[in-house]
Amino acid sequence: EAGVAQSPRYKIIEKRQSVAFWCNPISGHATLYWYQQILGQGPKLLIQFQNNGVVDDSQLPKDRFSAERLKGVDSTLKIQPAKLEDSAVYLCASSSQGAAIETQYFGPGTRLLVL
Amino acid sequence: QKEVEQNSGPLSVPEGAIASLNCTYSDRGSQSFFWYRQYSGKSPELIMFIYSNGDKEDGRFTAQLNKASQYVSLLIRDSQPSDSATYLCAVRGGSWGKLQFGAGTQVVVTP
Repeated sequence: EAGVAQSPRYKIIEKRQSVAFWCNPISGHATLYWYQQILGQGPKLLIQFQNNGVVDDSQLPKDRFSAERLKGVDSTLKIQPAKLEDSAVYLCASSSQGAAIETQYFGPGTRLLVL
Repeated sequence: QKEVEQNSGPLSVPEGAIASLNCTYSDRGSQSFFWYRQYSGKSPELIMFIYSNGDKEDGRFTAQLNKASQYVSLLIRDSQPSDSATYLCAVRGGSWGKLQFGAGTQVVVTP
């Protein structure tokens, strides 16, 4: 079974530029998550999709971050404009249905450095 | 107060010894509890989950949950150098409840 795919793996941009990350979840997984992990911290949920609907985006900085999951499969996360504090690893994860005891499987992450 | 708290470490453990990791959480409505291992530069991988009070064993790993004390722990028996990593405690509420992660405890197993 293929895992969660993410691209790019690394990205360096200057502040005020825009950037987009892509995620392809495990086949058949209805629930997709985007996390931000700042160095030395645990992952923080930015947004959770159930199929192509948003379940939780309470911690998404909506003035600069946006995410979509068209057709309930792939997802993109965009930052526009980027700030220095956005430097982090962006992790995508997926689970079968989003139930409380389900395992979330993480992709390899995208490392973003904002200069 | 952080919602999920862990000692940051590093926790230095001699090879073959038991590593004991602790985690406390603030939301009494939390229903499921997870331990993830994260190697440097890698993404988190699930080690165990537990949702009932008591102990749950899987190989060299034992998770312990005490909901009354809002406490979950992970024991690693016969620690190996390959166990050197950061261990993340994660707590989740009911259906659609988001997974809240602690900052992680770094474990260093010394030969």
